[in-house]
Amino acid sequence: GAGVSQSPSNKVTEKGKDVELRCDPISGHTALYWYRQSLGQGLEFLIYFQGNSAPDKSGLPSDRFSAERTGGSVSTLTIQRTQQEDSAVYLCASSLAGAGETQYFGPGTRLLVL
Amino acid sequence: KQEVTQIPAALSVPEGENLVLNCSFTDSAIYNLQWFRQDPGKGLTSLLLIQSSQREQTSGRLNASLDKSSGRSTLYIAASQPGDSATYLCAVMTTDSWGKLQFGAGTQVVVTP
Repeated sequence: GAGVSQSPSNKVTEKGKDVELRCDPISGHTALYWYRQSLGQGLEFLIYFQGNSAPDKSGLPSDRFSAERTGGSVSTLTIQRTQQEDSAVYLCASSLAGAGETQYFGPGTRLLVL
Repeated sequence: KQEVTQIPAALSVPEGENLVLNCSFTDSAIYNLQWFRQDPGKGLTSLLLIQSSQREQTSGRLNASLDKSSGRSTLYIAASQPGDSATYLCAVMTTDSWGKLQFGAGTQVVVTP
């Protein structure tokens, strides 16, 4: 079946602009996660959605970052007023019923802020 | 704070040899541990998930062990093939960080024909 999909695959933007990254989880998966992979920091957790519960936003690095999940499916990660240090690969993952299960990752969105 | 370490950072072996990849973590209060592989420019592919109550998991040529008390997991890949060349990452979920995988920096593996 279809895996986790993310769009766009690559995004180049200018410093100060806003960007939106999209994630489509595996159909039927109730949990959705965003991670960031950068050269200096490795892979780090950003945010976690579980069903209709309030998301765990504890990994978001600043208030310029926000995410929403509409209808318990598609999620959008928004970065406002982008900075060069936001350049990274943003990875989305989903799991079937909860956080204790296997997380399946999408191919990522490569963001470059000039 | 949980710290996850993978040693070595890079490994090169000839085809046919067994691979042994190590992962250590500082906080033994984990819920589970997951091994992934990442190919260049790609996302992560899940290999094995070990729950905290388990000692090992096997899938084909892959076997992962878990020793919570010593804070270690080992991934064994039998009879390596050039297609096994990738970066291997381990990630742990601690009991007080539900939903958050904490990753090691990875081991980059090259299997030479």
